[in-house]
Amino acid sequence: KNQVEQSPQSLIILEGKNCTLQCNYTVSPFSNLRWYKQDTGRGPVSLTIMTFSENTKSNGRYTATLDADTKQSSLHITASQLSDSASYICVVSDRGSTLGRLYFGRGTQLTVWP
Amino acid sequence: EADIYQTPRYLVIGTGKKITLECSQTMGHDKMYWYQQDPGMELHLIHYSYGVNSTEKGDLSSESTVSRIRTEHFPLTLESARPSHTSQYLCASSESYGMGNGYTFGSGTRLTVV
Repeated sequence: KNQVEQSPQSLIILEGKNCTLQCNYTVSPFSNLRWYKQDTGRGPVSLTIMTFSENTKSNGRYTATLDADTKQSSLHITASQLSDSASYICVVSDRGSTLGRLYFGRGTQLTVWP
Repeated sequence: EADIYQTPRYLVIGTGKKITLECSQTMGHDKMYWYQQDPGMELHLIHYSYGVNSTEKGDLSSESTVSRIRTEHFPLTLESARPSHTSQYLCASSESYGMGNGYTFGSGTRLTVV
């Protein structure tokens, strides 16, 4: 079972609307959590990174939240644009090994329609 | 703009051919990584390097090999390509272990073996 689960698997919204993507994880001990945006055929690009002590982080229209107690994170996108169509990947890092292993979710495929 | 470059972006090659996927970064990062990603699936670590002359296998077994002769260069080689090697290959680098500062992905190489 994957230690990072994302929902929904896919989402379609109209341009200008808001949406929230979810990430639940079981990774322990937790180091940090990052949200990436991956356009089709491209590499992931970092949106936000949060450590244990941070519960919210914004990057323009993207706002990530973290509840380390319940091991849940969300990514809220405000006033969506066509260019937001992409896969959004939640990545959690542990601090239990020298490598600082990364655990990847399968992503939420977001499609924004005009 | 990412300072990590992968070539080629797309490659279609016949079974049995030898191929090398190139990855170079200009950030002076010691740590470099290769990931494999199939559509709709999470990224899987196949190789990583702590620095020059250091290479290790990742979580996912792979028939590919890597080398790290220079800090900035981390090529991946398949001696005899097979259709099962068809996938997207992503290179990444970082300043420190796990998701430390400057964890950056390249744009990827989409490999198709026919």
